[in-house]
Amino acid sequence: AQKITQTQPGMFVQEKEAVTLDCTYDTSDPSYGLFWYKQPSSGEMIFLIYQGSYDQQNATEGRYSLNFQKARKSANLVISASQLGDSAMYFCAMREEGGFYKLIFGTGTRLQVFP
Amino acid sequence: ETGVTQTPRHLVMGMTNKKSLKCEQHLGHNAMYWYKQSAKKPLELMFVYNFKEQTENNSVPSRFSPECPNSSHLFLHLHTLQPEDSALYLCASSQADRVPMNTEAFFGQGTRLTVV
Repeated sequence: AQKITQTQPGMFVQEKEAVTLDCTYDTSDPSYGLFWYKQPSSGEMIFLIYQGSYDQQNATEGRYSLNFQKARKSANLVISASQLGDSAMYFCAMREEGGFYKLIFGTGTRLQVFP
Repeated sequence: ETGVTQTPRHLVMGMTNKKSLKCEQHLGHNAMYWYKQSAKKPLELMFVYNFKEQTENNSVPSRFSPECPNSSHLFLHLHTLQPEDSALYLCASSQADRVPMNTEAFFGQGTRLTVV
């Protein structure tokens, strides 16, 4: 069964520094997609970045990049030049190919950025 | 302004009450989802609707009853809930099946439910 593990319940980072949020996953399906979402205190989940299992290069979106290590089944999110507005919960999620669309989430990491 | 709107944002209800959560999406999607978010637990997928048909029910107790009258609206009817049902209930939408793997789901802001 597919599973997402986020082992860091909370992380602190100083403004303008980079931070890495860990995510490991478990699946027996060779085709899958990995997503990162941000959840500010307002509650909605905001899509940040996507990595496909067959993608040769690590995904990047502005200040967000994904450190994808397929053999280790990890997909860590790197946020560069942290800003105060980055303080939020961050969730890693996975989708397997086939069937109806379904996202499976981890427990999340609370990131706090301090001045 | 999110394309997925949930009402109410906050709800306090007694264990004998009946209430409903509403979700509306303006994105032209044809799949909608209910997730439950409890503290320190992964988001739990509760129900999935594709083209108004329920395609997944993840062993959710019958005190939660979903309804999807059309592709734009999704309801979660609640009755005789327990205190452990207190959580943030998130609605999401996406294009339905056989979509590219990188298709993202869009979420509402959630309903914070407290059962007393």
